[in-house]
Amino acid sequence: AQTVTQSQPEMSVQEAETVTLSCTYDTSESNYYLFWYKQPPSRQMILVIRQEAYKQQNATENRFSVNFQKAAKSFSLKISDSQLGDTAMYFCAFKVDGGSQGNLIFGKGTKLSVKP
Amino acid sequence: GAGVSQSPSNKVTEKGKDVELRCDPISGHTALYWYRQSLGQGLEFLIYFQGNSAPDKSGLPSDRFSAERTGGSVSTLTIQRTQQEDSAVYLCASSPRGPSYEQYFGPGTRLTVT
Repeated sequence: AQTVTQSQPEMSVQEAETVTLSCTYDTSESNYYLFWYKQPPSRQMILVIRQEAYKQQNATENRFSVNFQKAAKSFSLKISDSQLGDTAMYFCAFKVDGGSQGNLIFGKGTKLSVKP
Repeated sequence: GAGVSQSPSNKVTEKGKDVELRCDPISGHTALYWYRQSLGQGLEFLIYFQGNSAPDKSGLPSDRFSAERTGGSVSTLTIQRTQQEDSAVYLCASSPRGPSYEQYFGPGTRLTVT
């Protein structure tokens, strides 16, 4: 069975600074996807970034980037130049590539507060 | 275009009553998922529909929970004889095809059982 662990229940960062959220996972699968989702108080889950396990290059989306360490089963999210609008819950998620299910397996989330 | 919509946004019910939660996926999306988010927890998978195939019900926590998807589009999650531990946010997501595609989430229904 796959598991996703986020070891930081809460974090805070000053506006314009950089913060890194940690995520580790456990799986015996070799082909899978990893995601970071953002959930603001509105409850709407928004995809921030995704990473295919077969790609060695770390994914980047504007101010968001990941550090994907496949051997260590680690998938951290770095947010640069933090903005007040980044305040939200952040969930790391895992999905097996292919297969019959395709449901996401989520960590318990990290609550990020960006302070002015 | 329109995203995933869910109704109602909030639902308060008495213990023992039945509730129905509705999800309208993005038009053309063949895959639909239901998740439950309890306070302080991550999202827990409940059920998965893909096209006209039999749904994957492996995540349903008890036989009080059921779901259907009519015409390959709208889905209804039904909880019978609600219990206080059913209180949670129920999120629906859809995906354009099968398991390998990204999931787009609705705003969820917050269910409170008193």
